[in-house]
Amino acid sequence: DQQVKQNSPSLSVQEGRISILNCDYTNSMFDYFLWYKKYPAEGPTFLISISSIKDKNEDGRFTVFLNKSAKHLSLHIVPSQPGDSAVYFCAAPSNTGKLIFGQGTTLQVKP
Amino acid sequence: DTAVSQTPKYLVTQMGNDKSIKCEQNLGHDTMYWYKQDSKKFLKIMFSYNNKELIINETVPNRFSPKSPDKAHLNLHINSLELGDSAVYFCASSQGTGEWTEAFFGQGTRLTVV
Repeated sequence: DQQVKQNSPSLSVQEGRISILNCDYTNSMFDYFLWYKKYPAEGPTFLISISSIKDKNEDGRFTVFLNKSAKHLSLHIVPSQPGDSAVYFCAAPSNTGKLIFGQGTTLQVKP
Repeated sequence: DTAVSQTPKYLVTQMGNDKSIKCEQNLGHDTMYWYKQDSKKFLKIMFSYNNKELIINETVPNRFSPKSPDKAHLNLHINSLELGDSAVYFCASSQGTGEWTEAFFGQGTRLTVV
């Protein structure tokens, strides 16, 4: 029972263009969402988060959008840079403090 | 200065052996975790400790035993290793267990059981 899903295992974009990474969730009780970025041989690092009271949160080139009715969130990276190439995980904390991760999307930004 | 450090980074061992993975955080966080990233790349929580007290224990075989000597350390001991235990194990820490800001992860320990 995977409550957080990232249905695209990989995404390839050209440098300078927009990267859009998608995430769906099934538990309507989730009220906070996080995106993590992971480089090979490193642990995930926090990137950006959004509370369910908002529908958008922006931090530099990174913007997360939340559509509660669709139980969908997306991470936009504009403009994409080669250094953004990594695996991106979306995650949501359960009410027991358990952080539930999606399976990740591998982003490749081509120079 | 590493915030969450775990050792070793790589661990290759034979079936049936007992091994430990150590984790230390210097962030002053109250809560520490162990996650397992399986072959399908899912990151799943195994255990969570808050101030040395176990608060989350997912459906993990009894062969896995976390130990928290103090709130800055959470070690993972695995008995009678099996092939299916091969995975990358991540330690993490966060401040508190309720409202989430972010969790800080170690670099992972790639365990290979042969």
